[in-house]
Amino acid sequence: EDQVTQSPEALRLQEGESSSLNCSYTVSGLRGLFWYRQDPGKGPEFLFTLYSAGEEKEKERLKATLTKKESFLHITAPKPEDSATYLCAVQAAGGYQKVTFGIGTKLQVIP
Amino acid sequence: ETGVTQSPTHLIKTRGQQVTLRCSSQSGHNTVSWYQQALGQGPQFIFQYYREEENGRGNFPPRFSGLQFPNYSSELNVNALELDDSALYLCASSLNVAGGYTFGSGTRLTVV
Repeated sequence: EDQVTQSPEALRLQEGESSSLNCSYTVSGLRGLFWYRQDPGKGPEFLFTLYSAGEEKEKERLKATLTKKESFLHITAPKPEDSATYLCAVQAAGGYQKVTFGIGTKLQVIP
Repeated sequence: ETGVTQSPTHLIKTRGQQVTLRCSSQSGHNTVSWYQQALGQGPQFIFQYYREEENGRGNFPPRFSGLQFPNYSSELNVNALELDDSALYLCASSLNVAGGYTFGSGTRLTVV
């Protein structure tokens, strides 16, 4: 059974205070690891796909990295508009392409 | 390029009733997946349709069923609603069975 564990569950940062969110996963053959941003009452918004250990992707103040067991979402100098829940998900290779999500990290950035 | 649209946005139903939720996929996307997201939880996979056929299902009972139409739009049907079915139902489309999804804004279902 594929599993995704995210930590911390909630994170409160001052504007400009950089930090990292963690995603630990177990999957029988990784096809892809995804990061999404979700605002309250909205559907998840796609951020990144990572396919293999050592891969990194960046978008504005966000940088995602991947190892064989974990992924990190680094947030550099966050702004209040970065406040959201960040979801990590994995997709296994082979068979039908179910995506398994973690419960997310709720990030609050205070001005 | 249109995104994924879901209807209705909110719905209140009585326990035991049936409900149909609708989803229009992003243009060109042939795969649609449905997810249930309870409050404070991550989305849980219900099932996936590829070219009008179900090609994967999560741990949901048979009273959760779906359809995909030739234009790749989709429906989620839930029979005999239970209180625990109250959740945000998300539709997601993709160009093929692999890769990142584009999600709709969801339908908030409340069962009373």
